[in-house]
Amino acid sequence: NAGVTQTPKFRILKIGQSMTLQCTQDMNHNYMYWYRQDPGMGLKLIYYSVGAGITDKGEVPNGYNVSRSTTEDFPLRLELAAPSQTSVYFCASIDQREVRKTQYFGPGTRLLVL
Amino acid sequence: TQLLEQSPQFLSIQEGENLTVYCNSSSVFSSLQWYRQEPGEGPVLLVTVVTGGEVKKLKRLTFQFGDARKDSSLHITAAQPGDTGLYLCAGPTLAGGTSYGKLTFGQGTILTVHP
Repeated sequence: NAGVTQTPKFRILKIGQSMTLQCTQDMNHNYMYWYRQDPGMGLKLIYYSVGAGITDKGEVPNGYNVSRSTTEDFPLRLELAAPSQTSVYFCASIDQREVRKTQYFGPGTRLLVL
Repeated sequence: TQLLEQSPQFLSIQEGENLTVYCNSSSVFSSLQWYRQEPGEGPVLLVTVVTGGEVKKLKRLTFQFGDARKDSSLHITAAQPGDTGLYLCAGPTLAGGTSYGKLTFGQGTILTVHP
Protein backbone atom coordinates (compact mmCIF):
# COMPACT_ATOMS: atom_id res chain seq x y z
CA ASN A 1 0.00 0.00 0.00
CA ALA A 2 1.26 3.48 -0.85
CA GLY A 3 -0.85 5.00 1.96
CA VAL A 4 -1.69 8.67 1.43
CA THR A 5 -0.07 10.35 -1.54
CA GLN A 6 -0.09 14.06 -2.40
CA THR A 7 0.87 15.97 -5.50
CA PRO A 8 2.58 18.26 -6.21
CA LYS A 9 5.31 18.36 -3.56
CA PHE A 10 6.00 22.04 -4.13
CA ARG A 11 4.35 24.81 -6.11
CA ILE A 12 4.77 28.54 -6.57
CA LEU A 13 1.64 30.49 -7.50
CA LYS A 14 1.08 34.10 -8.41
CA ILE A 15 -1.63 36.04 -6.60
CA GLY A 16 -5.01 35.34 -8.19
CA GLN A 17 -4.02 32.05 -9.82
CA SER A 18 -5.86 28.84 -9.06
CA MET A 19 -4.70 25.30 -8.49
CA THR A 20 -5.79 21.92 -7.22
CA LEU A 21 -3.87 19.96 -4.63
CA GLN A 22 -4.32 16.25 -5.18
CA CYS A 23 -4.71 13.65 -2.44
CA THR A 24 -5.21 9.92 -2.90
CA GLN A 25 -5.34 7.09 -0.39
CA ASP A 26 -5.37 3.37 -1.14
CA MET A 27 -6.45 2.13 2.30
CA ASN A 28 -10.21 2.29 1.63
CA HIS A 29 -10.66 4.87 4.37
CA ASN A 30 -13.94 6.76 4.35
CA TYR A 31 -12.79 9.70 6.47
CA MET A 32 -10.36 12.18 4.90
CA TYR A 33 -9.03 15.59 5.94
CA TRP A 34 -7.14 18.60 4.68
CA TYR A 35 -4.94 20.55 7.08
CA ARG A 36 -2.66 23.51 6.65
CA GLN A 37 0.46 23.97 8.74
CA ASP A 38 1.98 27.39 9.27
CA PRO A 39 5.28 27.86 11.14
CA GLY A 40 4.76 27.69 14.88
CA MET A 41 0.99 27.23 14.47
CA GLY A 42 0.44 23.48 14.48
CA LEU A 43 -2.10 22.08 12.01
CA LYS A 44 -5.48 23.61 11.32
CA LEU A 45 -8.34 21.75 9.67
CA ILE A 46 -9.56 23.19 6.36
CA TYR A 47 -12.16 20.67 5.18
CA TYR A 48 -13.06 17.08 5.86
CA SER A 49 -15.11 14.31 4.33
CA VAL A 50 -16.79 11.28 5.84
CA GLY A 51 -17.43 9.56 2.53
CA ALA A 52 -17.89 10.01 -1.18
CA GLY A 53 -20.21 12.94 -1.83
CA ILE A 54 -20.06 14.22 1.77
CA THR A 55 -17.84 17.13 2.76
CA ASP A 56 -17.91 19.75 5.50
CA LYS A 57 -15.96 22.80 6.62
CA GLY A 58 -13.27 22.74 9.23
CA GLU A 59 -11.74 25.56 11.20
CA VAL A 60 -10.24 27.59 8.30
CA PRO A 61 -12.25 26.90 5.08
CA ASN A 62 -12.27 30.39 3.52
CA GLY A 63 -10.55 30.51 0.13
CA TYR A 64 -10.74 26.75 -0.42
CA ASN A 65 -13.11 24.21 -1.92
CA VAL A 66 -13.17 20.43 -1.91
CA SER A 67 -14.96 17.59 -3.61
CA ARG A 68 -15.15 13.87 -2.93
CA SER A 69 -16.38 11.89 -5.91
CA THR A 70 -14.60 8.65 -4.95
CA THR A 71 -13.44 7.02 -1.74
CA GLU A 72 -9.82 7.29 -2.83
CA ASP A 73 -9.53 10.94 -3.91
CA PHE A 74 -10.04 14.18 -1.99
CA PRO A 75 -8.74 17.17 -3.98
CA LEU A 76 -8.40 20.66 -2.48
CA ARG A 77 -9.02 23.63 -4.76
CA LEU A 78 -7.65 27.15 -4.36
CA GLU A 79 -9.59 29.49 -6.65
CA LEU A 80 -7.88 32.87 -6.14
CA ALA A 81 -4.53 32.36 -4.48
CA ALA A 82 -3.54 34.91 -1.84
CA PRO A 83 -0.24 35.34 0.05
CA SER A 84 -2.06 34.26 3.24
CA GLN A 85 -2.43 30.81 1.67
CA THR A 86 1.33 30.28 1.66
CA SER A 87 1.62 27.19 3.83
CA VAL A 88 2.28 23.48 3.89
CA TYR A 89 -0.84 21.44 3.16
CA PHE A 90 -1.37 17.95 4.52
CA CYS A 91 -3.99 15.42 3.57
CA ALA A 92 -4.89 12.67 6.04
CA SER A 93 -7.25 9.74 6.33
CA ILE A 94 -8.48 7.41 9.04
CA ASP A 95 -10.14 4.03 9.24
CA GLN A 96 -13.35 5.05 10.99
CA ARG A 97 -13.77 1.51 12.34
CA GLU A 98 -10.50 1.78 14.29
CA VAL A 99 -11.07 2.59 17.95
CA ARG A 100 -8.04 4.83 18.36
CA LYS A 101 -8.63 6.72 15.08
CA THR A 102 -5.02 6.97 13.87
CA GLN A 103 -4.65 9.69 11.26
CA TYR A 104 -2.41 8.69 8.36
CA PHE A 105 -0.82 11.74 6.77
CA GLY A 106 0.55 12.32 3.31
CA PRO A 107 3.98 13.91 2.79
CA GLY A 108 2.53 17.38 2.25
CA THR A 109 2.44 20.02 -0.47
CA ARG A 110 4.47 23.17 0.10
CA LEU A 111 2.74 26.17 -1.50
CA LEU A 112 4.24 29.62 -1.97
CA VAL A 113 2.00 32.44 -3.18
CA LEU A 114 3.81 35.51 -4.46
CA THR B 1 -13.39 26.30 21.57
CA GLN B 2 -10.97 23.55 22.47
CA LEU B 3 -7.38 24.67 22.62
CA LEU B 4 -4.21 22.69 23.25
CA GLU B 5 -1.16 24.59 24.38
CA GLN B 6 2.26 23.01 24.19
CA SER B 7 5.36 24.05 26.03
CA PRO B 8 8.10 24.70 25.44
CA GLN B 9 7.83 25.80 21.80
CA PHE B 10 11.53 25.14 21.21
CA LEU B 11 13.93 22.79 22.95
CA SER B 12 17.62 22.46 22.13
CA ILE B 13 19.56 19.92 24.18
CA GLN B 14 22.65 17.74 24.12
CA GLU B 15 22.61 14.04 23.45
CA GLY B 16 22.00 12.07 26.64
CA GLU B 17 19.90 14.71 28.38
CA ASN B 18 16.33 14.14 29.54
CA LEU B 19 13.42 16.38 28.55
CA THR B 20 9.70 16.82 29.05
CA VAL B 21 7.16 18.39 26.71
CA TYR B 22 3.79 19.50 28.06
CA CYS B 23 0.37 19.69 26.44
CA ASN B 24 -2.31 21.57 28.39
CA SER B 25 -5.94 22.51 27.91
CA SER B 26 -8.83 23.95 29.89
CA SER B 27 -11.09 21.40 28.16
CA VAL B 28 -11.54 17.74 28.94
CA PHE B 29 -10.52 15.39 26.16
CA SER B 30 -11.71 11.82 25.73
CA SER B 31 -8.23 10.95 24.49
CA LEU B 32 -5.02 12.64 23.43
CA GLN B 33 -2.54 11.66 20.78
CA TRP B 34 1.12 12.48 20.28
CA TYR B 35 2.59 12.75 16.79
CA ARG B 36 6.17 13.20 15.62
CA GLN B 37 6.96 15.04 12.39
CA GLU B 38 10.28 15.11 10.58
CA PRO B 39 11.19 17.85 8.08
CA GLY B 40 9.47 17.39 4.72
CA GLU B 41 7.15 14.67 5.99
CA GLY B 42 3.71 14.36 7.51
CA PRO B 43 3.10 13.68 11.21
CA VAL B 44 3.29 10.07 12.38
CA LEU B 45 1.33 8.82 15.36
CA LEU B 46 3.42 7.83 18.39
CA VAL B 47 0.75 7.02 20.96
CA THR B 48 -2.88 7.47 22.01
CA VAL B 49 -3.79 7.85 25.68
CA VAL B 50 -7.41 7.41 26.69
CA THR B 51 -7.65 6.89 30.46
CA GLY B 52 -7.03 9.59 33.06
CA GLY B 53 -3.72 8.89 34.79
CA GLU B 54 -2.61 6.51 32.06
CA VAL B 55 1.11 6.08 31.47
CA LYS B 56 2.45 4.55 28.26
CA LYS B 57 6.05 3.79 27.41
CA LEU B 58 7.56 3.55 23.95
CA LYS B 59 11.24 2.67 24.40
CA ARG B 60 12.81 5.88 25.84
CA LEU B 61 9.57 7.87 25.49
CA THR B 62 7.05 8.02 28.34
CA PHE B 63 3.61 9.51 27.81
CA GLN B 64 1.22 10.46 30.57
CA PHE B 65 -2.42 11.53 30.49
CA GLY B 66 -3.51 13.76 33.34
CA ASP B 67 -6.01 12.47 35.88
CA ALA B 68 -8.57 15.07 34.78
CA ARG B 69 -7.89 14.36 31.08
CA LYS B 70 -7.00 18.01 30.45
CA ASP B 71 -3.27 17.61 30.01
CA SER B 72 -0.56 15.25 28.86
CA SER B 73 3.21 15.06 28.91
CA LEU B 74 5.92 13.44 26.85
CA HIS B 75 9.18 12.59 28.61
CA ILE B 76 12.25 11.47 26.69
CA THR B 77 15.08 9.79 28.56
CA ALA B 78 18.65 10.03 27.28
CA ALA B 79 17.72 11.90 24.11
CA GLN B 80 19.47 10.99 20.88
CA PRO B 81 19.96 13.00 17.66
CA GLY B 82 17.41 10.71 16.02
CA ASP B 83 14.76 12.14 18.36
CA THR B 84 15.06 15.51 16.62
CA GLY B 85 11.75 16.63 15.16
CA LEU B 86 8.47 18.42 15.76
CA TYR B 87 6.30 16.86 18.45
CA LEU B 88 2.57 17.55 18.29
CA CYS B 89 -0.21 16.72 20.70
CA ALA B 90 -3.75 16.40 19.38
CA GLY B 91 -7.21 15.67 20.70
CA PRO B 92 -10.62 14.96 19.16
CA THR B 93 -12.53 18.06 18.02
CA LEU B 94 -16.06 17.68 19.30
CA ALA B 95 -18.99 19.18 17.40
CA GLY B 96 -22.47 18.16 18.44
CA GLY B 97 -21.15 15.18 20.36
CA THR B 98 -19.11 13.50 17.64
CA SER B 99 -15.69 14.35 16.26
CA TYR B 100 -15.80 12.46 12.94
CA GLY B 101 -12.13 11.84 13.58
CA LYS B 102 -11.29 15.54 13.43
CA LEU B 103 -8.33 16.63 15.52
CA THR B 104 -7.35 19.80 17.32
CA PHE B 105 -3.56 20.16 17.37
CA GLY B 106 -1.24 21.96 19.70
CA GLN B 107 1.22 24.36 18.08
CA GLY B 108 4.05 21.85 18.43
CA THR B 109 7.42 21.61 20.13
CA ILE B 110 10.53 21.70 17.96
CA LEU B 111 13.16 19.46 19.53
CA THR B 112 16.79 19.55 18.46
CA VAL B 113 19.21 17.04 19.97
CA HIS B 114 22.86 17.87 19.36
CA PRO B 115 25.45 15.08 19.18
